[in-house]
Amino acid sequence: GESVGLHLPTLSVQEGDNSIINCAYSNSASDYFIWYKQESGKGPQFIIDIRSNMDKRQGQRVTVLLNKTVKHLSLQIAATQPGDSAVYFCAEIDDTGRRALTFGSGTRLQVQP
Amino acid sequence: KAGVTQTPRYLIKTRGQQVTLSCSPISGHRSVSWYQQTPGQGLQFLFEYFSETQRNKGNFPGRFSGRQFSNSRSEMNVSTLELGDSALYLCASSPGLAGGLQFFGPGTRLTVL
Repeated sequence: GESVGLHLPTLSVQEGDNSIINCAYSNSASDYFIWYKQESGKGPQFIIDIRSNMDKRQGQRVTVLLNKTVKHLSLQIAATQPGDSAVYFCAEIDDTGRRALTFGSGTRLQVQP
Repeated sequence: KAGVTQTPRYLIKTRGQQVTLSCSPISGHRSVSWYQQTPGQGLQFLFEYFSETQRNKGNFPGRFSGRQFSNSRSEMNVSTLELGDSALYLCASSPGLAGGLQFFGPGTRLTVL
């Protein structure tokens, strides 16, 4: 499959445990954030998003937390499953100028059975 | 609805050649963005097209260009290929201009020899 990053930070968890993936951003003008999951050989797949007027949003087994004070975003995955193994990217859009997605460097999640 | 499709999925070229990649967005989506993904640089924004007009451009040389057709399908072209152009090229579509959620295709893996 495709190699999306040879030197990504890796988080290894046991199946059934909760996972927390962190992302720091630097642009204080960013007002929209998205988490994507990328499996080998595939393009990024949307997981969950959050706007800057919120600090928490929940989906199915996933929760995104946004701390604008320290410019930090996290993705929590409950009861992690082998199918969750992938590279996870946070992406941000700022509310000025170009409004293109800016991606973080990614974190590889490995789920041990 | 069918997802974003990209053709070809794999391509091998030699230095100095040019290449054209194609992207068909999700039906009804009018915005198409292109990204380059490499292990060293991660996901980087190339450009965005909306209603056949380039609306946004990343920091890539003029060798990288694109266009969008009236049916929203998009092509990107890279001329005078360099070894460093080897990457996964991802296309993403969204209903309106960037600033919102984008849905990605599987990518075209370009290898330059």
